[in-house]
Amino acid sequence: EDQVTQSPEALRLQEGESSSLNCSYTVSGLRGLFWYRQDPGKGPEFLFTLYSAGEEKEKERLKATLTKKESFLHITAPKPEDSATYLCAVRVKDRGSTLGRLYFGRGTQLTVWP
Amino acid sequence: DTAVSQTPKYLVTQMGNDKSIKCEQNLGHDTMYWYKQDSKKFLKIMFSYNNKELIINETVPNRFSPKSPDKAHLNLHINSLELGDSAVYFCASSQDHPGSRSTGNTIYFGEGSWLTVV
Repeated sequence: EDQVTQSPEALRLQEGESSSLNCSYTVSGLRGLFWYRQDPGKGPEFLFTLYSAGEEKEKERLKATLTKKESFLHITAPKPEDSATYLCAVRVKDRGSTLGRLYFGRGTQLTVWP
Repeated sequence: DTAVSQTPKYLVTQMGNDKSIKCEQNLGHDTMYWYKQDSKKFLKIMFSYNNKELIINETVPNRFSPKSPDKAHLNLHINSLELGDSAVYFCASSQDHPGSRSTGNTIYFGEGSWLTVV
């Protein structure tokens, strides 16, 4: 059973049409929630880290928020260059070690058309 | 000056062969990882090393063996390759201290190695 669920799986937006991506998680001992962007043929590129409920981070047209059960990635007035797969990951305390373990969601594929 | 670099980027090989993927990070991090991304783009951890010590070893076949000669390098060797091993393998690194409360530090990824077994 997935511990991190992202929705929707795919999202098509017209340029300028704001929307939100959702990441819900069912883990305990959260040590950080991460948003990454992945372009085709590339590795995940770090966007944000959120550590506690109520926290918000912004970068250009992106804004990430966190509650106790989910995170949202808000995209304001998106442009075609924002098209990518957005991955959410949670880092939790690992019983087998003192390092946190990172669990990824399956991503939201965002397409922004002109 | 790529932070996490891995080679080769593309690898096509026949079933039964043995191959290696190399990874190096110049971020000064003490923890390195190997992740596997399947055809459905799902990323899953395989191994984690901290200061050359194996920390996380997920349920992967014994044919996969990581080796960390030093903190900046983590190589992945795969024996007797099978068709199902075809995937993208990502190396990653972070700065973590076992026993510390702050183990939520950001993990940085390399560009990936596309492995195709034919």
